[in-house]
Order: sequence, then C-alpha cells, then structure tokens
Amino acid sequence: AQSVTQPDIHITVSEGASLELRCNYSYGATPYLFWYVQSPGQGLQLLLKYFSGDTLVQGIKGFEAEFKRSQSSFNLRKPSVHWSDAAEYFCAVGAQGAGSYQLTFGKGTKLSVIP
Amino acid sequence: DTGVSQNPRHKITKRGQNVTFRCDPISEHNRLYWYRQTLGQGPEFLTYFQNEAQLEKSRLLSDRFSAERPKGSFSTLEIQRTEQGDSAMYLCATKTGTGGLETQYFGPGTRLLVL
Repeated sequence: AQSVTQPDIHITVSEGASLELRCNYSYGATPYLFWYVQSPGQGLQLLLKYFSGDTLVQGIKGFEAEFKRSQSSFNLRKPSVHWSDAAEYFCAVGAQGAGSYQLTFGKGTKLSVIP
Repeated sequence: DTGVSQNPRHKITKRGQNVTFRCDPISEHNRLYWYRQTLGQGPEFLTYFQNEAQLEKSRLLSDRFSAERPKGSFSTLEIQRTEQGDSAMYLCATKTGTGGLETQYFGPGTRLLVL
C-alpha cells in the first residue's frame, strides 16, 4: 500500500522568502503525485501534479515541485512567498492501475507567513 | 470554486441522530469519491463511484455509513446513529475518465460536529 510522509507539521517563513515543503512517498512503482492547498474551512485546490516526463513540474501561483525517484521525494518550492500563501499544503500519491485511483494524502504542512 | 458543490456546509447534530450529506459533481465527471478529514490529518479515502456503481469501500466505512449515487449524478453520504468520533470534514471529489491521470476536483466539504 502507498503512503505519504510530510515531515514538517508547521513552517513559518517571512514574506518574500523562499519556501520548500518536503514530501516523501512510498509506492512500489512510478506513482502519480499531487500537491493540494487548503485554506481554512475550504476544500482542496490542486497546485500541480506529476505523472511522467520532466521531473520538474510547474503549477499555479508560482509553485513548482521536483520528483526525485532515488529519494522517493516530491518537494514543493516557491522562490518568493506571498502572505496569501498561508494555508495548509497536502502531498498525495495516486496508485497506477489500482482501479479506483484513490488518493493517499500526507498529514499536511501548515504554512504561516510573517509580514 | 472547482464546480463541485456540497451541502450542507456545516452540520451540528446530537449523538445517535442520522445525517445525510449531498455532493453535486461537475456534470461530465463520471467518477466520484468521498473522503473524510479529521483535525490535523489529511483526507482519507472512504468510497468511490464510477457512474452509479459503488466500486470500492474503505475499511473506514463502517456499516453505519451508506453512500449512493442514483443515475450517476449527485451522491449522498448518510451516517446513521452518529457518534462523536464521526466529527470531521467530509469531502467529495470528482474526476473524468477511468485512469489515474485526470485531476480530482474537490468540493468545499461538509463539516460535521456530533455533540
């Protein structure tokens, strides 16, 4: 069964600083990988996804993520954080050929932004 | 707004009562998923439908839970004899296609509080 680990429960950065959120996954084959963002009391919005090809993927709102198979990682990055980026971020893995293609999520990383 | 709607957005009930939530998907989306998100956790898969057929249920879905998707359109999730442990955000997600490539679009969720 697949699993996702987000080692950082809470990260605080200053506005304008760079950001990296860590995600490690466990899956026996090449996974489908996703990053979602959730604002308080809201549903999840997709930031970006990786299926195959170029290991550096670009998403919305200036986010990017890099798939590293050797490290089983899919870290999310942003060069300059804005106050509106404060939210909770979830990494998720979807299994290939699993029928339902259900997503398995990490526990999330809460991002706080200092003005 | 992803185009997936959920009602009600909030529900407070007393232990032992029955509750029903509704999810209206994006019209052309044939797959519909229910997830549960408890405080401090990522969403966890409950069940999914392909059109009107319920094809997979998680072990989290006890016999007090039932889900339907008549005619392959909207879906309902009913919890009978609610318990305090059922307090959570219930998220609906929908997607097109039959593979894992397509994005799951999440609704805003229904937050349930069982007193």
